[in-house]
Amino acid sequence: QKEVEQDPGPLSVPEGAIVSLNCTYSNSAFQYFMWYRQYSRKGPELLMYTYSSGNKEDGRFTAQVDKSSKYISLFIRDSQPSDSATYLCAMSAFIFQGAQKLVFGQGTRLTINP
Amino acid sequence: SAVISQKPSRDICQRGTSLTIQCQVDSQVTMMFWYRQQPGQSLTLIATANQGSEATYESGFVIDKFPISRPNLTFSTLTVSNMSPEDSSIYLCSVESKYPIYEQYFGPGTRLTVT
Repeated sequence: QKEVEQDPGPLSVPEGAIVSLNCTYSNSAFQYFMWYRQYSRKGPELLMYTYSSGNKEDGRFTAQVDKSSKYISLFIRDSQPSDSATYLCAMSAFIFQGAQKLVFGQGTRLTINP
Repeated sequence: SAVISQKPSRDICQRGTSLTIQCQVDSQVTMMFWYRQQPGQSLTLIATANQGSEATYESGFVIDKFPISRPNLTFSTLTVSNMSPEDSSIYLCSVESKYPIYEQYFGPGTRLTVT
């Protein structure tokens, strides 16, 4: 079983729709929970970051963490064609010398159709 | 934030050969990370490179196959040795920032195809 599971999609929705992306995880040692966005032929960029259960909102994006269920979600409201990208959930755990290791989900390829 | 560049951006190589990928950061960093992103797969950590010490490899990755150099605080190389088609992948380097939140910044990646 993978430490982090994410439905790879692809997911295609019309512009303006609400998008829900989800990941489950098995390692209780994960400290921080993140969502990265990766455009084609680019490196991933941090989109949202949380470390506790609950919701965190940033503009049209809401990140949700449920540690008891080991489940995280990303919601995108009023989706735009520019949101078309691959979204990767990532979770961190301490490894050594204060460094942290990121464990990524498979990534969900999202397309927003005008 | 950190700005990271990688060379080459892409390459096509024959099996049995080796390719060295360079990663340059615009600021001094302690830790650098090398990831592999296989087609349709997630990013998988290959190794962590701390300047002045040997790289630490994740399970399933070995130094003979993926030797790493870290000569200073702004530069690192990853070599993919004795390549096979299974090594076709995107290789990314990243650096971490701990303040105000923990974050890793990624380079654009090197797209490797082995024929």
